[in-house]
Amino acid sequence: NAGVTQTPKFRVLKTGQSMTLLCAQDMNHEYMYWYRQDPGMGLRLIHYSVGEGTTAKGEVPDGYNVSRLKKQNFLLGLESAAPSQTSVYFCASSLSGGALTGELFFGEGSRLTVL
Amino acid sequence: GDSVTQMEGPVTLSEEAFLTINCTYTATGYPSLFWYVQYPGEGLQLLLKATKADDKGSNKGFEATYRKETTSFHLEKGSVQVSDSAVYFCALKGASSASKIIFGSGTRLSIRP
Repeated sequence: NAGVTQTPKFRVLKTGQSMTLLCAQDMNHEYMYWYRQDPGMGLRLIHYSVGEGTTAKGEVPDGYNVSRLKKQNFLLGLESAAPSQTSVYFCASSLSGGALTGELFFGEGSRLTVL
Repeated sequence: GDSVTQMEGPVTLSEEAFLTINCTYTATGYPSLFWYVQYPGEGLQLLLKATKADDKGSNKGFEATYRKETTSFHLEKGSVQVSDSAVYFCALKGASSASKIIFGSGTRLSIRP
């Protein structure tokens, strides 16, 4: 059972470089999310998508872009990486973003370091 | 806006000790409440949930009761094991269908053999 898969799991970038994190889910979920996890701050929502072809800003969207060209994939891009973007990034998906269950399914995380 | 506050860690206990991790929330209406657990090197996974006042969520020996009067959802376990060592996140989802899940800052739990 693959569930939610993130690639890459680790990456080191230099300031100003660009990169893309890929999230893939095989559960046919409509909603997908990107969070970042920083010490003492819990998880903060970066962007999310309520379906194929849609994206929306979350709590901390600046410096990131996303795309949802296919239902199963949700890409997170950093156009010009900054040290403040050093973090662990988690992708999650849910069957519905409504009040039905609220349960999110998470990937294992991608640790990004920006030097 | 909606928010979640949970006790700061780290929390270190001996095996078979009683565990309480406090969580309080601020929200309008009647949110759904969750506890997620993150084991080392893994993503978060849902541990238990409660969707209305006085509901008790339970799983793997853990329990939490939705207390509307005190706006709390404290996590408890009667006898912890080394395998319970993890980071625990309290979370809420507002009553509106457009609401997103909001997470607390997490509490790291370490259990000594």
